[in-house]
Amino acid sequence: NAGVTQTPKFQVLKTGQSMTLQCAQDMNHNSMYWYRQDPGMGLRLIYYSASEGTTDKGEVPNGYNVSRLNKREFSLRLESAAPSQTSVYFCASSATGTLNTEAFFGQGTRLTVV
Amino acid sequence: AQSVTQLGSHVSVSEGALVLLRCNYSSSVPPYLFWYVQYPNQGLQLLLKYTTGATLVKGINGFEAEFKKSETSFHLTKPSAHMSDAAEYFCAVSDRGTNAGKSTFGDGTTLTVKP
Repeated sequence: NAGVTQTPKFQVLKTGQSMTLQCAQDMNHNSMYWYRQDPGMGLRLIYYSASEGTTDKGEVPNGYNVSRLNKREFSLRLESAAPSQTSVYFCASSATGTLNTEAFFGQGTRLTVV
Repeated sequence: AQSVTQLGSHVSVSEGALVLLRCNYSSSVPPYLFWYVQYPNQGLQLLLKYTTGATLVKGINGFEAEFKKSETSFHLTKPSAHMSDAAEYFCAVSDRGTNAGKSTFGDGTTLTVKP
């Protein structure tokens, strides 16, 4: 049972380069999320997708784009990476419409922009 | 708007001692409340959650938390710390009926367990 899978696990980019972080879940969840985690700041929501075909901005969307490719996959794209985007990125998913509304997280992608 | 305050970014206890991690929240509607744990270089995993019903909730690894509406608190406790409890802990709050992943997270508390 894989849960939420993120690729890659580590990445170093040069300023101005682009990349896409991939996320897939096998729990048939409707909702998916991208967070960034910075020291002492907890998790901040970048974008989320409540269901296939919909995406919405979270708290810190600037500099990012997302695609909900299908129910399983939700990707995060950095078009022109900046050092301020150095962070650990987490993808998560959750079921909706029930009381069992907990989020399931991937292992994270550690991104360094130099 | 919701907010979460975790009191103490670092907590250190001796092995076998009581663990108490504090969380206070603000929410305009009755909330769902969560505690997540993050081990080094891993993602977050759910420890326990309060959605409805009994205000004392038990989670994995011997942790429990009590929802106190009058105090807007959801403190996490464990009677006896184990070395394996060393990790970062996050309190989170979300509105009822909204997606759990749209929770607002606290800044985290790093728990150190001394032998």
